[in-house]
Amino acid sequence: DTGVSQDPRHKITKRGQNVTFRCDPISEHNRLYWYRQTLGQGPEFLTYFQNEAQLEKSRLLSDRFSAERPKGSFSTLEIQRTEQGDSAMYLCASSSPQGGNEQYFGPGTRLTVT
Amino acid sequence: GQSLEQPSEVTAVEGAIVQINCTYQTSGFYGLSWYQQHDGGAPTFLSYNALDGLEETGRFSSFLSRSDSYGYLLLQELQMKDSASYFCALGETGGFKTIFGAGTRLFVKA
Repeated sequence: DTGVSQDPRHKITKRGQNVTFRCDPISEHNRLYWYRQTLGQGPEFLTYFQNEAQLEKSRLLSDRFSAERPKGSFSTLEIQRTEQGDSAMYLCASSSPQGGNEQYFGPGTRLTVT
Repeated sequence: GQSLEQPSEVTAVEGAIVQINCTYQTSGFYGLSWYQQHDGGAPTFLSYNALDGLEETGRFSSFLSRSDSYGYLLLQELQMKDSASYFCALGETGGFKTIFGAGTRLFVKA
């Protein structure tokens, strides 16, 4: 297994457009996290999946953000009506119950909203 | 709410030992983790403390004191490649959220 992968690696979009990002976790990992990271800050929690169930979503997350993990494998994060403040690195991480607290991060998708 | 505080920058010399502190406020957490992130890279897991005390993993050690709401990451025999950002993070009890600190940027000088 090659680790967590994310697609695309970079996305430039105009304000008001919708964007969708994909995350493929490590295959045996049932836990999946989405984070947002801006320059000079730590990853900010967005949402968490255990298998296909979305068990937690940040209260800071606006209704323009939605995430799915339909078959408990890959996940998508959609941002509707993008705003310039959405420009950030979007990171996905996965972990297994046997792995303790260790999360494996993907390379991220860098979003630029113009 | 939950929050973690770390120094924004630390500078040390190659071969030295450096300690990066993390203080936190939380209503409950499972344990304290540490991650390393090089510029342009993804965070990578370094260490985890579920209980008070010291955990050692090669050149890296991490410490937790729940009574003091404090932890630290200790890096020994510093190498130039250790120049990176280091984040402490805690997993909340009663939920599934992981909260990260703002990170400490470590500069290792020759």
